[in-house]
Amino acid sequence: DVKVTQSSRYLVKRTGEKVFLECVQDMDHENMFWYRQDPGLGLRLIYFSYDVKMKEKGDIPEGYSVSREKKERFSLILESASTNQTSMYLCASLNAGEAFFGQGTRLTVV
Amino acid sequence: AQTVTQSQPEMSVQEAETVTLSCTYDTSESDYYLFWYKQPPSRQMILVIRQEAYKQQNATENRFSVNFQKAAKSFSLKISDSQLGDAAMYFCAYRTGITSGTYKYIFGTGTRLKVLA
Repeated sequence: DVKVTQSSRYLVKRTGEKVFLECVQDMDHENMFWYRQDPGLGLRLIYFSYDVKMKEKGDIPEGYSVSREKKERFSLILESASTNQTSMYLCASLNAGEAFFGQGTRLTVV
Repeated sequence: AQTVTQSQPEMSVQEAETVTLSCTYDTSESDYYLFWYKQPPSRQMILVIRQEAYKQQNATENRFSVNFQKAAKSFSLKISDSQLGDAAMYFCAYRTGITSGTYKYIFGTGTRLKVLA
């Protein structure tokens, strides 16, 4: 059974903190994505990676960075958390035919 | 750039009835994939159905079927015999990168489906 695991379901952080959201997949997929989900806006692509150490900006990369040191792990980093980054974050791992999602991390920045 | 539009923020259907969710997209590509994903309250995204653009036949998965109109760039989802467990947010998605091999999924804004008992 394929699996994408996000390290936390709920997270509360303070403004200015450096925040790490971790995502691990066990399917040996090359393509991994980070999305942000907000009501009325759907899923918006933050960053994606199609290979180890490779990364590309998505549609809303400002305020975020990513790290992919190993194939199975794709981390999203909020360098200095701000209240407008309060959101649901979804990680996905892709093969040719389907995207597999983690259970999401609801991040609140106070 | 490709875009995906879901014009119905919310829909309701009576249990056992049929409902159709709309999706349109814009692209200059000739080959691509289209998807419908379901997100129940548990937040876990689940693939409902997939359509390859080169296939003329509409995809079907049990009670779920699509009406794929390539020329009109329309991809609607029909749910027959609606069940309470169908209540969820439904996202239409487009996948680029057939030729480049660099996959990228673009999602619509979602349609919240309520099923009334």
